Amino acid sequence: SQKIEQNSEALNIQEGKTATLTCNYTNYSPAYLQWYRQDPGRGPVFLLLIRENEKEKRKERLKVTFDTTLKQSLFHITASQPADSATYLCALSQGNLIFGKGTKLSVKP
Amino acid sequence: DAMVIQNPRYQVTQFGKPVTLSCSQTLNHNVMYWYQQKSSQAPKLLFHYYDKDFNNEADTPDNFQSRRPNTSFCFLDIRSPGLGDAAMYLCATSRDSTGTSAYNEQFFGPGTRLTVL
Repeated sequence: SQKIEQNSEALNIQEGKTATLTCNYTNYSPAYLQWYRQDPGRGPVFLLLIRENEKEKRKERLKVTFDTTLKQSLFHITASQPADSATYLCALSQGNLIFGKGTKLSVKP
Repeated sequence: DAMVIQNPRYQVTQFGKPVTLSCSQTLNHNVMYWYQQKSSQAPKLLFHYYDKDFNNEADTPDNFQSRRPNTSFCFLDIRSPGLGDAAMYLCATSRDSTGTSAYNEQFFGPGTRLTVL
C-alpha cells in the first residue's frame, strides 16, 4: 500500500528565510497531490493542489513542486513569518486522500 | 460564511457508553467524510458519503457507524467507545462531480476532541 513520509516531524527556521518541507511516497504516483495547513486543535485547511503533469504551482508566498521520478513533492514558504508556524500535511490521491503525519514548522522572530 | 460545523467541540464519554458526534455544512457539498486523528498522527479516513451512498474503509472498526439523513448533516456514532478511540474526529466535505473525490479540495470542520474515561 502507499506510504507517505514527510521529511521531519519538526522544522525550525528564522523569520524571513524560506521553509522547505518534503513529502515522499513509496508506490505509484498519484494523479493529484494536495497540501494542507493544520493549527493546533483545528481542522486542516487546504492550501494547494498539484497534478501529476504539473511540475510547479504557486500561490502568493507558497510554491509546490511535484517530481514523479523522485516520488517527491516539495513545499516552499518564502519570506516566512511567525504566523506561518503550523503543521503542514501532504495528501495523495488514491481513490480518497491519504494524509501524511505532517511537519510542524516553527518560524522564530 | 459557508462552513463546516462540528458539535460539540469537546466530548467526554465513559468507556462503553455510546456517543454521537455531529457535523453540518452550509456548502451544499455532495461528499462528506469522517476522519480520526490521534496526536501527531495523520488524519485517518473512517468512511465517507458520496451523496447518499455510504463508503466504509476496510479497516474501520464495526464499532463506528455513520448516518447522513440529508445533504447538510452527517453523524458519527461510536457504539461502545474504548480507551483507544480517544482522538480528534474531523468532518470534511468536498464538491465532486467526477466520481473520484480525491481530485477536489476538502473543507474541514474544527473537529471534536473525544475523551474516553
